[in-house]
Amino acid sequence: AQKVTQAQTEISVVEKEDVTLDCVYETRDTTYYLFWYKQPPSGELVFLIRRNSFDEQNEISGRYSWNFQKSTSSFNFTITASQVVDSAVYFCALSGDNAGNMLTFGGGTRLMVKP
Amino acid sequence: DAGITQSPRYKITETGRQVTLMCHQTWSHSYMFWYRQDLGHGLRLIYYSAAADITDKGEVPDGYVVSRSKTENFPLTLESATRSQTSVYFCASRKGQGAGTQYFGPGTRLLVL
Repeated sequence: AQKVTQAQTEISVVEKEDVTLDCVYETRDTTYYLFWYKQPPSGELVFLIRRNSFDEQNEISGRYSWNFQKSTSSFNFTITASQVVDSAVYFCALSGDNAGNMLTFGGGTRLMVKP
Repeated sequence: DAGITQSPRYKITETGRQVTLMCHQTWSHSYMFWYRQDLGHGLRLIYYSAAADITDKGEVPDGYVVSRSKTENFPLTLESATRSQTSVYFCASRKGQGAGTQYFGPGTRLLVL
C-alpha cells in the first residue's frame, strides 16, 4: 500500500520568508512518481511538478525548489521569498505501479503568507 | 482550449435524491478519475476509467455509480444521496497509461441536506 504524509497541517509565515513544506512517502514499488499540486483559495488544483523515482536531481523553478531524497523517502518543497499569492493548500502525491497508476495524496499543508 | 470542465459547479440536494455530476474533457485523454475532497481526508479516489466502457473502483466507491460511453465524458451519479456525501468533487484526466500527470477540473461543491 502507498502512503503520503504531510505532517505540517498549517504553516504561517511573513512575506519574504523562505518556507519548506515536508512530504514523506511510503511505497514498495521501485518505479514511482511524485507530484506537488497547489490549491489556491479559489479551489482549483494546479499541477506544479512531477518527478520519477530514478531522478533525484533537485529542481528549481523561479522561487520554487524541490528536494527529492530516496534515502529518507522525502520530496520536500521550498518557496523562497514567499509572497501573499503563495497562500494556498499544497498537496504532495504519489503514483506507483498500481493498476491505473492512481494517485495517493497526502493530507495537504495550508500555507498562509501574511503581508 | 476548454481542457476539463465540470458541471454543475455548485449543487444542493436532499437526502435520498439522485444526483449526477458531469465531467467533460477536450484533450481525448484515455484515463479519467473522480475524487472527493473532505476536511481531514485530503483527496480520495472514488472511481476511475481507463477508456470508454472501462471503469474500476477506487478507494471510496460505495454509493456512487459511473459510466463512460464516450471518451470525453465521465459522469458520476449518487444514486441516493446521503449527508456523508457532502463534499467537493474533482474530476481529473490523464493522457495514457503510466504515471503521467493528472489534470483536474474546477470541482463541484455538493451539499446534501
